[in-house]
Amino acid sequence: QVQLQESGPGLVKPSETLSLTCTVSGASISSYYWSWIRQPPGKGLEWIGFLYYSGNTNYNPSLKSRVTISVDTSKNQFSLKLSSVTAADTAVYYCARWAVRGVIHYFDYWGQGTLVTVSS
Amino acid sequence: SSELTQDPAVSVALGQTVRITCQGDSLRSYYASWYQQKPGQAPVLVIYGKNNRPSGIPDRFSGSSSGNTASLTITGAQAEDEADYYCNSRDSSGNHLGVFGGGTKLTVL
Repeated sequence: QVQLQESGPGLVKPSETLSLTCTVSGASISSYYWSWIRQPPGKGLEWIGFLYYSGNTNYNPSLKSRVTISVDTSKNQFSLKLSSVTAADTAVYYCARWAVRGVIHYFDYWGQGTLVTVSS
Repeated sequence: SSELTQDPAVSVALGQTVRITCQGDSLRSYYASWYQQKPGQAPVLVIYGKNNRPSGIPDRFSGSSSGNTASLTITGAQAEDEADYYCNSRDSSGNHLGVFGGGTKLTVL
């Protein structure tokens, strides 16, 4: 049973850096792609970016200048850093496994999500 | 703005069939995946690929695709199907980016 669990501060001050970690159990992080997705309160899902265990990453162009996704294979974890946050970054942040097979791709396992509020 | 377009809201009578659509240029090249999200919960994958259901998803959920439009069909909608539904695919630029549709709120009457 694959499980993902987000962890990190629930409150971040404006202009600071949001940092979250996703711990993966039941599967090796050294395969598949791994993603972060967020959902502002009352709004839809927004894809933030993905990471492959080798370190290859790609990010949503709208967030690219502020986002870093990294991996720690020894801990079976991957992390999200989002710098210079504003109130617009307040959202539930999800980590998910992204299965990619040619033209078929899907998020098959999700964390429960963690609410991060940006406020002073 | 999203590169995948969904109707914001759809309603269906209990036991009837409903189709939720997702439009976008990338759907000519890539399959969509579909997610159900109930209030306060994480999204759940319901359809992926041509028409594949993960284990535990009822067979009343099915998927199809034609041209730039992907569809999620619920045949015999149940009260518990009331939820938000999101499609997801790759972006149309070919840059290996992900994108979600804006979501469709399904109401079961």
